[in-house]
Formats: sequence, C-alpha cells, structure tokens
Amino acid sequence: ETGVTQTPRHLVMGMTNKKSLKCEQHLGHNAMYWYKQSAKKPLELMFVYNFKEQTENNSVPSRFSPECPNSSHLFLHLHTLQPEDSALYLCASSSDSGANVLTFGAGSRLTVL
Amino acid sequence: TQLLEQSPQFLSIQEGENLTVYCNSSSVFSSLQWYRQEPGEGPVLLVTVVTGGEVKKLKRLTFQFGDARKDSSLHITAAQPGDTGLYLCAGPLSSNTGKLIFGQGTTLQVKP
Repeated sequence: ETGVTQTPRHLVMGMTNKKSLKCEQHLGHNAMYWYKQSAKKPLELMFVYNFKEQTENNSVPSRFSPECPNSSHLFLHLHTLQPEDSALYLCASSSDSGANVLTFGAGSRLTVL
Repeated sequence: TQLLEQSPQFLSIQEGENLTVYCNSSSVFSSLQWYRQEPGEGPVLLVTVVTGGEVKKLKRLTFQFGDARKDSSLHITAAQPGDTGLYLCAGPLSSNTGKLIFGQGTTLQVKP
C-alpha cells in the first residue's frame, strides 16, 4: 500500500467504551499528525509527532491519548468519549523538506452514542 | 489568533460556469495552500502559493496569493461535475511545520 492508511474507516462506540484509531504511512515521512474535522468547523490540529516525539498537544482533552511507536505508525486511543467528540479524525504525514505539505489519510468517521 | 475566512461557504452552479472562492485573513502568512476534499476522503493538496502576488495555474484552476500575503483566491473556469467537493485553504501556524490552520471550507456542487 502507498500513502496514508487509516483504520477503521467507521467506528461507533458508547461513552464507556475504549477503542483505538490506527494510522500508517508508507511515504518515509518523519512527522505525523492528528486533525479533527467536525461539521461546520474548520479542521483542528490535535497532535503532532516528529521522529516519534510529541511536539504539539493542542489542548486536547485527556480522553484522547496518542501513541507513536515509530515514524510510520500513529494511534489515537479513545476512552470515555462524549457525543460531541463525534467527528472525522484525519491522520496526516509530512517530510522534513516539505514540512508544510501534508498528505492526509481518508479519515476515521467516529460516532459516539 | 490567526484565522482564515473562506467565502462563500456553499456554492451550487451549473456545468460550464466560472466561479471564484476567497480565503482571507488579517494575518500575514508565509504561504497558503489549497486542498480539495471529496466525500469519504481526506483533503488532497492542490497547490501552495508562496510569493506575494503569485499566480499558479492547474488546468482550469487558477490560484492567486495576495500582494500582502494575507489572502488568496481560487478561480475555476468552465466548472465540471468532477470539480464538486470541499475546497479548503490552509496556512502554517509556524514556518516549516505541518501545523496548519484551516479555513472552514467552501462546498462546491457542480450540476450537469
């Protein structure tokens, strides 16, 4: 596979569940990102990882927990979410030389009941 | 706080028509990007404009960066149904990082 792959594409969970979103990039990029896309709101940056180290946490609630075991994989662990957390969660990656240029995955559509 | 305002938010036109989408800010950006997002997919980069006054063309799409680097426009000539999608402008929060701020997007529908 090429590009940025996100799984699952769709997820429905209750407020007491624990689930994880997975992102994998096959582009040899060093930086990975989680963005949140809610209806009628601009994309919001959540987390940034550079060479596996978290370099940005954009005031995200602790019920969202990122994990970056290596430069190719990024996870977003979810627990005790709220219905307002329902959104499309987009993973992206970038290289050092083109750091402003993001390649996005197709997203994971999350619905919290 | 840096903000990007896009207008219009929604646009529904007939095939063959021309249209322009605007992206405005009170802040200066080192560069601005345009993405297109189709339903069920992530945003895909169309273009990056870097120099004030720069004009870039991508087939029927023309992108312009304002002289003061505070605004940008996207003009589509003879729109086609395949142009349908969400158009997003974005600018870097800091230089040389992927930390981008996005506009709220313009949803374009081109009817055959």
